Amino acid sequence: SQQGEEDPQALSIQEGENATMNCSYKTSINNLQWYRQNSGRGLVHLILIRSNEREKHSGRLRVTLDTSKKSSSLLITASRAADTASYFCATDTGRRALTFGSGTRLQVQP
Amino acid sequence: GAVVSQHPSRVICKSGTSVKIECRSLDFQATTMFWYRQFPKQSLMLMATSNEGSKATYEQGVEKDKFLINHASLTLSTLTVTSAHPEDSSFYICSARGGTSGNTGELFFGEGSRLTVL
Repeated sequence: SQQGEEDPQALSIQEGENATMNCSYKTSINNLQWYRQNSGRGLVHLILIRSNEREKHSGRLRVTLDTSKKSSSLLITASRAADTASYFCATDTGRRALTFGSGTRLQVQP
Repeated sequence: GAVVSQHPSRVICKSGTSVKIECRSLDFQATTMFWYRQFPKQSLMLMATSNEGSKATYEQGVEKDKFLINHASLTLSTLTVTSAHPEDSSFYICSARGGTSGNTGELFFGEGSRLTVL
């Protein structure tokens, strides 16, 4: 079953702008992860934030986690055309498999 | 990071035939692999958990006789779509946790296999 819901479903911005994607989930988690998927390809892991962390940075990526609201956000700063992809949050609830959100399709216009 | 290889990347078959998709961990041993299915512009839905040397664990609603999973070695899991029909057309993706990440941490994904059943 779908654990996470993401919004927006689709986002179109200009190069250089920031992109923010949100993810909400329903159950307790061990960690939350963000993945990127280029069209027709597999997923690539971007960043992992543990349940006891509130914010994490990796390059142009900033992830926040609010366990009280069961939500997370992914911020991509100074976006580039190459950032165009679908982005998924995924929750680790202690099961071996991850449960993926519905995804946000990001289009960065050059 | 760990590398997962999936083959074939694309396959077109006639209705009623069976198709096998392979998923290999190239530089680590994966006692567990996961098979996901993805419809266009939708999320990944977990189909089954493939366990080396034992039976796969299927998610509710996934027909185990339809989607046969074999995990005969620590580096290879196969998904066979039996008697494929057009509604089985989809993007199938396998994944595994890297050798050092244990039961938590990131998943490494294959490049996916796009199945089209005519």
